[in-house]
Amino acid sequence: GQNIDQPTEMTATEGAIVQINCTYQTSGFNGLFWYQQHAGEAPTFLSYNVLDGLEEKGRFSSFLSRSKGYSYLLLKELQMKDSASYLCAAMDSNYQLIWGAGTKLIIKP
Amino acid sequence: DTAVSQTPKYLVTQMGNDKSIKCEQNLGHDTMYWYKQDSKKFLKIMFSYNNKELIINETVPNRFSPKSPDKAHLNLHINSLELGDSAVYFCASSQDHTETKTEAFFGQGTRLTVV
Repeated sequence: GQNIDQPTEMTATEGAIVQINCTYQTSGFNGLFWYQQHAGEAPTFLSYNVLDGLEEKGRFSSFLSRSKGYSYLLLKELQMKDSASYLCAAMDSNYQLIWGAGTKLIIKP
Repeated sequence: DTAVSQTPKYLVTQMGNDKSIKCEQNLGHDTMYWYKQDSKKFLKIMFSYNNKELIINETVPNRFSPKSPDKAHLNLHINSLELGDSAVYFCASSQDHTETKTEAFFGQGTRLTVV
């Protein structure tokens, strides 16, 4: 079956760095997405990886290892507004997104 | 301007009723989706639709049906509502569902509560 695993909740300190991991199993693979979702709001796109390696975009970076079925989202210089859920989603061979349940990130002062 | 808009934002209704949620996108996208996010926060695809095909998640009960009057709209009709239908429903759109790097843009969600 198809499956996405990511931690349910993480806590980090303002100004620090946090890494949110995601492992996936899909029928075929057409890329890995990360979305941010604040409570009560819609998910918004953060990043997309289809090749192995690190993609950096400002304070946020995303890494992919296709051979390991593994990705992580790295958030640097954490701010209070980064408190949100972070959703990992893998696109399968039918171009369907398979979503994880999200990781709730709590930022403490 | 709102890219993907859905109405209503909140919907409280009794079991057995029939209701609709409307969705419109002004991005010129070819594909629209309906997702259900349950209390455990899983986003589950219900339908994806473009002018060529409707893809239905086989786990979705046939009480749920999408209606697309045109490319910019995909409404969700739900018949004989049940308590388990309570969830947040998100509409989304993307340029082309067969393009890999095609991010989806989401509406603000409709929180449906069945009592």
